[in-house]
Amino acid sequence: QVQVVQSGAEVKKPGSSVRLSCKASGSTFTSYTMHWVRRAPGQRLEWMGWINAGNGDTKYSQKFQGRVTITRDTSASTAYMELSSLRSEDTAVYYCAREVLVVSKRGYYYGMDVWGQGTTVTVSS
Amino acid sequence: DIQMTQSPSSLSASVGDRVTITCRASQSINNYLNWYQQKPGKAPKFLIYAASSLQSGVPSRFSGSGSGTDFTLTISSLQPEDFATYYCQQSYSTPYTFGQGTKLEIK
Repeated sequence: QVQVVQSGAEVKKPGSSVRLSCKASGSTFTSYTMHWVRRAPGQRLEWMGWINAGNGDTKYSQKFQGRVTITRDTSASTAYMELSSLRSEDTAVYYCAREVLVVSKRGYYYGMDVWGQGTTVTVSS
Repeated sequence: DIQMTQSPSSLSASVGDRVTITCRASQSINNYLNWYQQKPGKAPKFLIYAASSLQSGVPSRFSGSGSGTDFTLTISSLQPEDFATYYCQQSYSTPYTFGQGTKLEIK
């Protein structure tokens, strides 16, 4: 049974950075792509980026380009997401999720099938 | 970015009802459409991929349809555990984007 466990809640000052972790167990970490998604209060889910845990390739949402960095430590089966220059609008629950690839006759389909429990980040002066 | 719009934003229904949620994409996404269920304080749960294929373990009362820009999620007979918020998400291109959610409440 694959599990993804995230680090604990954070309270940060505006202008600072936060680094969240996401540890996967029960599967071969380097076989997967891990995504980061957040949900701010009253807002929809928002995709931030992904990392290929095998080769370290990353892809970020343009909205967060320059502020977000996703890394991984394969020896620890852990992905990290660092968000800098925090502002109040970054207050949200941050999730990491494992990507699943389904191959069918109709094509290749990607989804997020195993999610962490979420990490609450509060940005406040 | 591809905009995803769901309707309705909220819906009241009773156990046993059949309900349908609609999701519209701002451009054609073929059938690269996923559905998720989220309960308060919990992470989203992956329900449907490729617009109409059920993820393993998802009850058959859930179904999806659509292609291009218009999609639906149908729950054929609501069960108590189905009251939650449902999100569509396009996996056609990055940035992957989600609908604003449909909150399904007990009538």
